[in-house]
Amino acid sequence: EAQVTQNPRYLITVTGKKLTVTCSQNMNHEYMSWYRQDPGLGLRQIYYSMNVEVTDKGDVPEGYKVSRKEKRNFPLILESPSPNQTSLYFCASSLSEDREETIFGEGSRLTVL
Amino acid sequence: GESVGLHLPTLSVQEGDNSIINCAYSNSASDYFIWYKQESGKGPQFIIDIRSNMDKRQGQRVTVLLNKTVKHLSLQIAATQPGDSAVYFCAELQDDKIIFGKGTRLHILP
Repeated sequence: EAQVTQNPRYLITVTGKKLTVTCSQNMNHEYMSWYRQDPGLGLRQIYYSMNVEVTDKGDVPEGYKVSRKEKRNFPLILESPSPNQTSLYFCASSLSEDREETIFGEGSRLTVL
Repeated sequence: GESVGLHLPTLSVQEGDNSIINCAYSNSASDYFIWYKQESGKGPQFIIDIRSNMDKRQGQRVTVLLNKTVKHLSLQIAATQPGDSAVYFCAELQDDKIIFGKGTRLHILP
């Protein structure tokens, strides 16, 4: 089954404690991206990657890092989380550069105290 | 700011009726638009897309209409069912990024 898998699905952490949210896809997709979803703001793109070793900033990249060492994985790294990064995070992947039929993960709800 | 927005945050429709969800965009150069459905507790799910060289595209029970003159996009759902209850997002491909609107919540009335 084609899917995008995120871990953890739920996490409560404290300010300044580094964390990584993993994302893995099994469809050999080239394009992957991370979004955060906040009430009243919809989905906003954090970072995206067009292919291995190619990453670009989205609309809200501050406070986040990503890496794309291999095609299937695209982890989101919060080096020093802050309370304003409390949000629902989605990883997504798609085959083509036109983003046709992008597939989203189930989401990771992060709370930073 | 975002170039894609929705006219109404909430839409209530009687079960069995047709639903129409609207979206406006501001970038006339955009050539690819997507509708997503997000059910409670889940990630967005692709519904249908349309390119700017088309005015209309139909799927199973869904139709997307694109009016480039007024930069307006709509999603029509025929014979709305309880399972259609969700938040619907329009999105636009802009400079390799998908820009989402803020979403419309569709309520189905029994």
